[in-house]
Amino acid sequence: RKEVEQDPGPFNVPEGATVAFNCTYSNSASQSFFWYRQDCRKEPKLLMSVYSSGNEDGRFTAQLNRASQYISLLIRDSKLSDSATYLCVVNPISSGSARQLTFGSGTQLTVLP
Amino acid sequence: DAGVIQSPRHEVTEMGQEVTLRCKPISGHDYLFWYRQTMMRGLELLIYFNNNVPIDDSGMPEDRFSAKMPNASFSTLKIQPSEPRDSAVYFCASSSRRNLAKNIQYFGAGTRLSVL
Repeated sequence: RKEVEQDPGPFNVPEGATVAFNCTYSNSASQSFFWYRQDCRKEPKLLMSVYSSGNEDGRFTAQLNRASQYISLLIRDSKLSDSATYLCVVNPISSGSARQLTFGSGTQLTVLP
Repeated sequence: DAGVIQSPRHEVTEMGQEVTLRCKPISGHDYLFWYRQTMMRGLELLIYFNNNVPIDDSGMPEDRFSAKMPNASFSTLKIQPSEPRDSAVYFCASSSRRNLAKNIQYFGAGTRLSVL
């Protein structure tokens, strides 16, 4: 089983729609959670961190459910520029090593005009 | 700041040839990471350095892969001999202790490697 699993999509949604992505992680000791965004043929970039209480950044809302080991990202009023691959990222606990990020394979989103 | 700089951006080579990928981290960053991204396996950590010292190379697929960091501003990832299954995008990322505390890494634009 992969450490971080995501639905690969693709998700094709019309402009203005609300879309949600889910992610599950296998290491119950994981401490930190993130969503990265990767545009086509570009490098990944941090979109937002995911906090236990849930957090918002404009049209983006991230949620964490530790009991179910589940992370979600909600995008409201989607824009054409939101088209990208969204990577779920987890920091597993590994004693004696610096922090490392474990990436999901990503969910591809295309927002259609 | 120029960001993390990788070269070349694209590399096409024949099976059996040696391939060297290069990375210049952001000045002042003391952590450097090499990742490989494929459609099948996603983004995988190969190796990371702290203060130029390799800390964890457990992600390096096999002995054909080697990485060095001779100084704080330069790192190489070498594949010798290369095989078609090595075809992927290789990313370098760097970070500082302060940024790592927030789990932030800065990625270069990547090297797209095709081994024929």
